[in-house]
Amino acid sequence: EADIYQTPRYLVIGTGKKITLECSQTMGHDKMYWYQQDPGMELHLIHYSYGVNSTEKGDLSSESTVSRIRTEHFPLTLESARPSHTSQYLCASSEYGPEYNEQFFGPGTRLTVL
Amino acid sequence: AQSVAQPEDQVNVAEGNPLTVKCTYSVSGNPYLFWYVQYPNRGLQFLLKYITGDNLVKGSYGFEAEFNKSQTSFHLKKPSALVSDSALYFCAVRDGRSGNTGKLIFGQGTTLQVKP
Repeated sequence: EADIYQTPRYLVIGTGKKITLECSQTMGHDKMYWYQQDPGMELHLIHYSYGVNSTEKGDLSSESTVSRIRTEHFPLTLESARPSHTSQYLCASSEYGPEYNEQFFGPGTRLTVL
Repeated sequence: AQSVAQPEDQVNVAEGNPLTVKCTYSVSGNPYLFWYVQYPNRGLQFLLKYITGDNLVKGSYGFEAEFNKSQTSFHLKKPSALVSDSALYFCAVRDGRSGNTGKLIFGQGTTLQVKP
């Protein structure tokens, strides 16, 4: 079944730890996105990718980094987590093609940094 | 400036009554508009989109939206609300500055509460 997956769903870690949030999609989509969302609030784009070996920063400045080595995989890494990174992180993908193609979202990772 | 506004933080409606969730936008270029719904602890689900043509767009779960170019609005509607429609609704517009990246600008969200 074509879908988009995120792991872990919930993560509680201490300050200073390195973490990687995983995102995978089985739809063969070229475009992928990472959003940051505080509970019940709007989404802010932090990273996006057109395809393999392509990554760009989004509109909201973030200390995280991303990589796109395989089409289906778009992990997000925080080298040293801080309490200010506490948030929900949503991954999305869309087909390459017209700019009105809708985005498909994963279930999100809720990160808490103590 | 590119922006999306959802003027109501919360909309309350009784089950069986019609509902409207409001959205206005400002964007350069063609206004490609979207509605998404988010249930608690879940990602966003696509409901419908406007590209061109008929101003009334039909989507999933009985929802529809009306595009009004002169008022730069794209209000979400449903003729008869269900308790299960209670969720957080986001309006989004394609970022007209972004070429073909597909980047979206999201509104701040509106919580829909449908009471039995």
